[in-house]
Amino acid sequence: GAGVSQSPRYKVAKRGQDVALRCDPISGHVSLFWYQQALGQGPEFLTYFQNEAQLDKSGLPSDRFFAERPEGSVSTLKIQRTQQEDSAVYLCASSRDRGHEQYFGPGTRLTVT
Amino acid sequence: KQEVTQIPAALSVPEGENLVLNCSFTDSAIYNLQWFRQDPGKGLTSLLLIQSSQREQTSGRLNASLDKSSGRSTLYIAASQPGDSATYLCAVGTASKLTFGTGTRLQVTL
Repeated sequence: GAGVSQSPRYKVAKRGQDVALRCDPISGHVSLFWYQQALGQGPEFLTYFQNEAQLDKSGLPSDRFFAERPEGSVSTLKIQRTQQEDSAVYLCASSRDRGHEQYFGPGTRLTVT
Repeated sequence: KQEVTQIPAALSVPEGENLVLNCSFTDSAIYNLQWFRQDPGKGLTSLLLIQSSQREQTSGRLNASLDKSSGRSTLYIAASQPGDSATYLCAVGTASKLTFGTGTRLQVTL
């Protein structure tokens, strides 16, 4: 079956622009996660959804970051007024349920100029 | 706060060698531990998942062990091949998230 997909794969934004990153999880997966990976580092947790409920957003770095999953399937990570320090790869993962194996998408590489 | 450390940061071995990658974590209250590989410019591929109640898992040439009480895991790769060259990431899981180490960059040479 299809894995986790993300779009766009690459995004270049001018400083101050808003961006929206999309994640399509594996069909039937209840849990969905967003991570941010800076160059040469391991991924860092941003936020977690169980169905449509956002149960943990402790990793979101500022109030410019917002995530939603309104129907419990596709999720969007939105970054408002992008800054240079937002440049990173944004990874989405899904799992069958909480505490289960996580499967990752290919990521969206965001470059803020 | 959970902290995950991976040693060594980089490793180069000749083809055919067996090798061990190490991962340590500070908080033993975990659900599971996952090992991933990441190829340059790509996403993460899950290799092995060990539940907190398990001691080890095996998949092909890979064997991962978990000692929750001491906060350690190892990934053993047997008979390494050039195709194993990648960054290997250890991640400790709770119900809501994974906490990653910074990875071990492995190069297997001919």
